Amino acid sequence: GDSVTQMEGPVTLSEEAFLTINCTYTATGYPSLFWYVQYPGEGLQLLLKATKADDKGSNKGFEATYRKETTSFHLEKGSVQVSDSAVYFCALKGTYNFNKFYFGSGTKLNVKP
Amino acid sequence: KAGVTQTPRYLIKTRGQQVTLSCSPISGHRSVSWYQQTPGQGLQFLFEYFSETQRNKGNFPGRFSGRQFSNSRSEMNVSTLELGDSALYLCASSLEGGGTQETQYFGPGTRLLVL
Repeated sequence: GDSVTQMEGPVTLSEEAFLTINCTYTATGYPSLFWYVQYPGEGLQLLLKATKADDKGSNKGFEATYRKETTSFHLEKGSVQVSDSAVYFCALKGTYNFNKFYFGSGTKLNVKP
Repeated sequence: KAGVTQTPRYLIKTRGQQVTLSCSPISGHRSVSWYQQTPGQGLQFLFEYFSETQRNKGNFPGRFSGRQFSNSRSEMNVSTLELGDSALYLCASSLEGGGTQETQYFGPGTRLLVL
């Protein structure tokens, strides 16, 4: 079945460091891929998405490229800020099961000043 | 446009009681999904409703149920509460839910504590 695997956290970085959070997926057909972010005490917010192979999603300095050959959708940011501290979820929406999303386990990012 | 709203935001119940949570989707959205989030299990899909019909269901016991009204608002109910039901319950809405390109938009969640 469809599934998402993302790197375990927590990830601790200093401000202005480079961020990579790995995400790989298993799916049949042509899924769409998403990154969501959750700040403490809040729901999930859409960060970016990509709907076909080689698409790059980007928002707020974050970006991720849909790589079908490696079944990956890694999240990157060139220079993190303290305000980026949150939990990041990789998600997949499959082709054949209407509106069912599959989420990774989440990666907590701590950015220190 | 207003986002997804959930009420109440916080709830404390005791074992054996039942609880009803409410979700109002973004205006024009017809699909509503529910998720349970716990530290141990992460985000788990409960069910999805579209046009007042349950279209998808996760692996939860029958104590968890839901419904959707003609205005797309949705409620979920948990009967005979157990300690393990303590969690953040998240609601998400999307336009139709049928296309792979559609996005789900999440509400702030209802935090349920079962004592």
